[in-house]
Amino acid sequence: TQLLEQSPQFLSIQEGENLTVYCNSSSVFSSLQWYRQEPGEGPVLLVTVVTGGEVKKLKRLTFQFGDARKDSSLHITAAQPGDTGLYLCAGESGSARQLTFGSGTQLTVLP
Amino acid sequence: NAGVTQTPKFQVLKTGQSMTLQCAQDMNHNSMYWYRQDPGMGLRLIYYSASEGTTDKGEVPNGYNVSRLNKREFSLRLESAAPSQTSVYFCASKGTISYNEQFFGPGTRLTVL
Repeated sequence: TQLLEQSPQFLSIQEGENLTVYCNSSSVFSSLQWYRQEPGEGPVLLVTVVTGGEVKKLKRLTFQFGDARKDSSLHITAAQPGDTGLYLCAGESGSARQLTFGSGTQLTVLP
Repeated sequence: NAGVTQTPKFQVLKTGQSMTLQCAQDMNHNSMYWYRQDPGMGLRLIYYSASEGTTDKGEVPNGYNVSRLNKREFSLRLESAAPSQTSVYFCASKGTISYNEQFFGPGTRLTVL
């Protein structure tokens, strides 16, 4: 079973601060996705990264896929209360193209 | 266009009872998935169906069965519920255009006493 380790598990910061969430594995993934989940709802896709070293930006969110396609990071600039939620990384691998999810990072941005 | 729908939203069972969780999608997706989410453990795949008529085990299939009734519907059955199956269950579907983007339903919160 492939594992994805996310850190930190919990993060509480003040509005305007920057933060980085990490997603690490010893396995290689063909792609890696980041989802955000609000309480009482299912996860919603934020971004997919496919190429080693790839960097994607989504407004104040920057996603990076490691060169070896084993790890990824999510950086949020000037966090806002609306960024509060559970952030999940998920790696795709194998012929069945299943997703393996990390354990998640619960982010709280205080006003 | 409702996306992925799940019923019921909440359920309480006694140990040994059975129930079926229903999932339907209206996006004409080929692949459908069932996950469970427990605190601190992310989402774990129970079963999936790559296309109508096929089903395969995921990471944690024990105690569950599934049926891909047609292209739209994918149900998850607990034959004899156990307290260890207390969890939030999510159904998801995936099309063939986006790179393995999965669309999730709102979840079913199940408690087994």
